[in-house]
Amino acid sequence: GAVVSQHPSWVICKSGTSVKIECRSLDFQATTMFWYRQFPKQSLMLMATSNEGSKATYEQGVEKDKFLINHASLTLSTLTVTSAHPEDSSFYICSARATDRAEHEQYFGPGTRLTVT
Amino acid sequence: GENVEQHPSTLSVQEGDSAVIKCTYSDSASNYFPWYKQELGKRPQLIIDIRSNVGEKKDQRIAVTLNKTAKHFSLHITETQPEDSAVYFCAASLLPEYGNKLVFGAGTILRVKS
Repeated sequence: GAVVSQHPSWVICKSGTSVKIECRSLDFQATTMFWYRQFPKQSLMLMATSNEGSKATYEQGVEKDKFLINHASLTLSTLTVTSAHPEDSSFYICSARATDRAEHEQYFGPGTRLTVT
Repeated sequence: GENVEQHPSTLSVQEGDSAVIKCTYSDSASNYFPWYKQELGKRPQLIIDIRSNVGEKKDQRIAVTLNKTAKHFSLHITETQPEDSAVYFCAASLLPEYGNKLVFGAGTILRVKS
């Protein structure tokens, strides 16, 4: 199967600090990865599309300077939440599109629970 | 852009009964419609998907129907079991091979009572 991992699985940080979340495709290549945010009892909202070797494309209303995305290799994308505030507390989920497989399916990571105190 | 509406928001059924969740989409260019199951605190899991060149797809107890003219698609679960209890999300996008930016519905909480 296709496995996507995220690290850390949960993190608690103080207001004003920055947090980095990693998303890795373990057994396939992913030129495209997606970052979602999910608030409790709500749907997944796409934050940005991360493309290997180029700048990420952010969805309307998502601050690119606050949510820094780097996709440095075909298997790793990182999301850094800068100057985190309590309202950034959420479940962050990445997905990776299997571009080296015929079905090009998106595979989701297990998510990272961020709590900002 | 694409907008996906999903109904109902919650659904309670008795074990063994069928469950139906419906979604509508706005962008006629969308041609890929996956359904995901998400358990509390876990990642979404793809359970079935359908492309616009077919009207129905079935996988054991799960089926999806698509009406492109009306721009709606539905998930059907037959012979429901307690382990089917979860949140179900529909989504719409272009075909995966063309860069599928998924737009999700709001989700349906399915409770199967034993």
